Amino acid sequence: KQEVTQIPAALSVPEGENLVLNCSFTDSAIYNLQWFRQDPGKGLTSLLLIQSSQREQTSGRLNASLDKSSGRSTLYIAASQPGDSATYLCAAGSSNTGKLIFGQGTTLQVKP
Amino acid sequence: DTGVSQNPRHKITKRGQNVTFRCDPISEHNRLYWYRQTLGQGPEFLTYFQNEAQLEKSRLLSDRFSAERPKGSFSTLEIQRTEQGDSAMYLCASSSTGTGGFEQYFGPGTRLTVT
Repeated sequence: KQEVTQIPAALSVPEGENLVLNCSFTDSAIYNLQWFRQDPGKGLTSLLLIQSSQREQTSGRLNASLDKSSGRSTLYIAASQPGDSATYLCAAGSSNTGKLIFGQGTTLQVKP
Repeated sequence: DTGVSQNPRHKITKRGQNVTFRCDPISEHNRLYWYRQTLGQGPEFLTYFQNEAQLEKSRLLSDRFSAERPKGSFSTLEIQRTEQGDSAMYLCASSSTGTGGFEQYFGPGTRLTVT
């Protein structure tokens, strides 16, 4: 059974700092790994999708990496801004159904 | 707006009542997923459809829950005889088995409060 863990549960940083969010999963037989952002009371916004055959994906100030052998993914946020404050969720995608197994999220606060 | 839409956005109901939620996926997406999220937790998978076929249901989906996707378009999730433990955000997502690598796009969710 796939289990996804995110550490830390919460993080507070000053504006401008570079930061790394961690995600680990127990079953390496994933189809993809997806990172999402969730603002309070809202739905999920997809940030990055990494296919199982890929090692990383980049979008603007965001870079996500995937290491299937160690069961880890990281989300790197460069030059953080107060607008980046949100909960970040990672999810491992099942190979046949595509269903996502989510971690509990990391709540990020970027202080001006 | 061509994203995933969900209605209603909020629903308050009394224990024992039935409720129904609707999800309209991105039009060209053939897969549709339902998830449930409680406060402080990540979403949990409930069920998914490929076209009109319901292919998997989670053990979380008790017999009080039923989902349909007639004609492979919109989907409905019904909860019968609601309980206070059903209070949660219900999220719908869609994806394509074609290009895009199964990337899922989520709707804004329906927040259910059972009093």
